Amino acid sequence: GESVGLHLPTLSVQEGDNSIINCAYSNSASDYFIWYKQESGKGPQFIIDIRSNMDKRQGQRVTVLLNKTVKHLSLQIAATQPGDSAVYFCAEMGTGGGADGLTFGKGTHLIIQP
Amino acid sequence: GAGVSQTPSNKVTEKGKYVELRCDPISGHTALYWYRQSLGQGPEFLIYFQGTGAADDSGLPNDRFFAVRPEGSVSTLKIQRTERGDSAVYLCASSQGPQETQYFGPGTRLLVL
Repeated sequence: GESVGLHLPTLSVQEGDNSIINCAYSNSASDYFIWYKQESGKGPQFIIDIRSNMDKRQGQRVTVLLNKTVKHLSLQIAATQPGDSAVYFCAEMGTGGGADGLTFGKGTHLIIQP
Repeated sequence: GAGVSQTPSNKVTEKGKYVELRCDPISGHTALYWYRQSLGQGPEFLIYFQGTGAADDSGLPNDRFFAVRPEGSVSTLKIQRTERGDSAVYLCASSQGPQETQYFGPGTRLLVL
């Protein structure tokens, strides 16, 4: 079936370094991708999104890259801070006009080492 | 402005009981989604409303689950004859419309004993 997944369950980085979180998706018809951050006990928080007609989008300290050829999505966080510690999910939206909801991967737990 | 709110934040019930979970979306958002998140997993889609109607309920696991949104704003997820396997965090999200960014509430943590 179609799914969205992440390569690593846990990523540990030093404070101040850059973090890269990867995601592979299988539905080539998906046209909207979103990264969410989820802290313990809270709901997912929107970070950044990208549509399939783009290959890069930048926000504040974050960049999302989309490679449709290999169906790969990545989230880059610059100058990682302790507050970045959380589980990061990529999510995919199908082409049903939103009717199918988002499909999430299992998540990557980002740990910031002091 | 206010984000998505969900009540209660925690719910403990006994197997076989009925529960209702409430979601207040962001004002003006026409699309509303319910998801379920088990421990260590990503959220799983349950149902989507566009306005008052359920546009897609394909994610509901069985007929014990039902959701309504009678006035196109607040939504209630209803679970009948709860089972221990229903224990999870139930998340609600809203967006301005389909294919728009979904903003999530804090979730309701349901524990079925």
